[in-house]
Amino acid sequence: SQELEQSPQSLIVQEGKNLTINCTSSKTLYGLYWYKQKYGEGLIFLMMLQKGGEEKSHEKITAKLDEKKQQSSLHITASQPSHAGIYLCGADNHGAGSYQLTFGKGTKLSVIP
Amino acid sequence: DAGVTQSPTHLIKTRGQQVTLRCSPISGHKSVSWYQQVLGQGPQFIFQYYEKEERGRGNFPDRFSARQFPNYSSELNVNALLLGDSALYLCASSRTVANYGYTFGSGTRLTVV
Repeated sequence: SQELEQSPQSLIVQEGKNLTINCTSSKTLYGLYWYKQKYGEGLIFLMMLQKGGEEKSHEKITAKLDEKKQQSSLHITASQPSHAGIYLCGADNHGAGSYQLTFGKGTKLSVIP
Repeated sequence: DAGVTQSPTHLIKTRGQQVTLRCSPISGHKSVSWYQQVLGQGPQFIFQYYEKEERGRGNFPDRFSARQFPNYSSELNVNALLLGDSALYLCASSRTVANYGYTFGSGTRLTVV
């Protein structure tokens, strides 16, 4: 079965600093999703990547999927307190007609004003 | 349009009891998926329903069951509750059986005592 490992597990940064979160898969990624979660709440969709070498940006967040499609990174530029939360990567895990996501354990981001 | 709505938001049950969680998908979405998120972990796939049929089941015991109604809303039932069932239960909906455009609800926090 596919496993996703996220690093680091937690991150504390000063407001205005840049940061990167990594997601490494045990198998080839066919669809990689990034979500943000506030503690105890639902997941907010950030971006989806499918093609090797693909890069997408939204506001100050950029996500990349490497050429070999086994690793993705999420980069935040000039972090703000509003970026604080848990970032989760999820991989498409097709199985016999169902579409399910396998998630990493998440990276907890704290931004100090 | 309203997002994915889940009820109740919080629930406390005793070991051995049964619980029913409810989910209303976004209007026009025909697929509903359920995930369990234990504290400190990523969400784990439980079920996917599409057009009222079960399309996928994760590695959960038979104590877990679900169904989807003609209006595409869904219920997740858990029988003979264990302490380990304490978790945030998330519902996600999408237009089709594929993941693209997955939208998560805010979840139901279940505590088993």
